[in-house]
Amino acid sequence: AQSVAQPEDQVNVAEGNPLTVKCTYSVSGNPYLFWYVQYPNRGLQFLLKYITGDNLVKGSYGFEAEFNKSQTSFHLKKPSALVSDSALYFCAVRPPGYKLSFGAGTTVTVRA
Amino acid sequence: DVKVTQSSRYLVKRTGEKVFLECVQDMDHENMFWYRQDPGLGLRLIYFSYDVKMKEKGDIPEGYSVSREKKERFSLILESASTNQTSMYLCASSLPQGDNQPQHFGDGTRLSIL
Repeated sequence: AQSVAQPEDQVNVAEGNPLTVKCTYSVSGNPYLFWYVQYPNRGLQFLLKYITGDNLVKGSYGFEAEFNKSQTSFHLKKPSALVSDSALYFCAVRPPGYKLSFGAGTTVTVRA
Repeated sequence: DVKVTQSSRYLVKRTGEKVFLECVQDMDHENMFWYRQDPGLGLRLIYFSYDVKMKEKGDIPEGYSVSREKKERFSLILESASTNQTSMYLCASSLPQGDNQPQHFGDGTRLSIL
């Protein structure tokens, strides 16, 4: 069975501070890993993905994510958060040949 | 840019009604998906389709069916709506090459069953 965990329901940071949203997974094989963001009353938007290669992946809106195989983690990061980054963030995992599985989501609030 | 359009943003129906949720994508994507989103549960896959007239069950298909008569359109049907189907429904589409293609989502339909 595959599972995706986002251990924090909420993350609160001040504008300008670093932002980290955590994701760990438990799947067989070498999965593909994704981050999506959902703004209020909107669908999910793709941010970035890890397929293979460099463990640090860069994506949209200044976000990046670090893949750690030994810890089975794929944490989302942004060096300097903006108020406009306040949203719901989803980690998703897809082992080759299997369906995409989403975490429960983490609400990020960036205060001015 | 890929555009996935869901026909209704908000919908209110009554218990026992047959409900249709429509989704259209304009990028000629082979794959289409229906999810429901509930707080604390993330997204759960209801049904998906890899081609016209083709469908496969996801993780929670009970009480739902789908139809894909044309490549660009994927419909979700609640055969006899119940209050536990009150939720946000999201449609998505993607290219078929391998497993690493991101899915593109519509803005969702917030469905209330009274």
